[in-house]
Amino acid sequence: GAVVSQHPSRVICKSGTSVKIECRSLDFQATTMFWYRQFPKQSLMLMATSNEGSKATYEQGVEKDKFLINHASLTLSTLTVTSAHPEDSSFYICSARGDPRGGRQETQYFGPGTRLLVL
Amino acid sequence: DQQVKQNSPSLSVQEGRISILNCDYTNSMFDYFLWYKKYPAEGPTFLISISSIKDKNEDGRFTVFLNKSAKHLSLHIVPSQPGDSAVYFCAAKTGANNLFFGTGTRLTVIP
Repeated sequence: GAVVSQHPSRVICKSGTSVKIECRSLDFQATTMFWYRQFPKQSLMLMATSNEGSKATYEQGVEKDKFLINHASLTLSTLTVTSAHPEDSSFYICSARGDPRGGRQETQYFGPGTRLLVL
Repeated sequence: DQQVKQNSPSLSVQEGRISILNCDYTNSMFDYFLWYKKYPAEGPTFLISISSIKDKNEDGRFTVFLNKSAKHLSLHIVPSQPGDSAVYFCAAKTGANNLFFGTGTRLTVIP
């Protein structure tokens, strides 16, 4: 099946620092990439949607200056948590939408997630 | 506003028996439905999907049923195996729009 990778898988940082998370679609070109956040025992909450070469669309309540998203190519998107604080500690999951067979049957594939802990 | 709902947060089933996970939705414009399986500290894995033009889709031990009039879908796993223990999310979308996820159901298959 299609593979989406995330790096790093886990990161611990001090309050006030910035953290960058990379998301790559390894065997297909993703027309759209998504960033989700999951708190314990809760559903996946969509943070933002990005298309290659254009600005990300943020969901209501998500600070775009705090969560910077760059979608540099059809296979790479990055999420930067700027000036992280303990309340930003969470599980961040990226997703890429595309058709690994190069067709038009697009499905959304998820990365393994990144556990962020801000001290 | 939770457009996709999974009212059972957990389900326990004996190995070999059938697991039935339920999902309800409120938006009648949804035309594509998916089930994802998620292990702790991992991203969701796509399991099976169904288009709104169908009422059933089967893939091995997994079958998804869609009842559009009731705005309800279900995932049947038979026979259930211990390795099926995970959190299952249903999701729905309209056209090329974003997925809306349910809150998940934790399935435990007891050996």
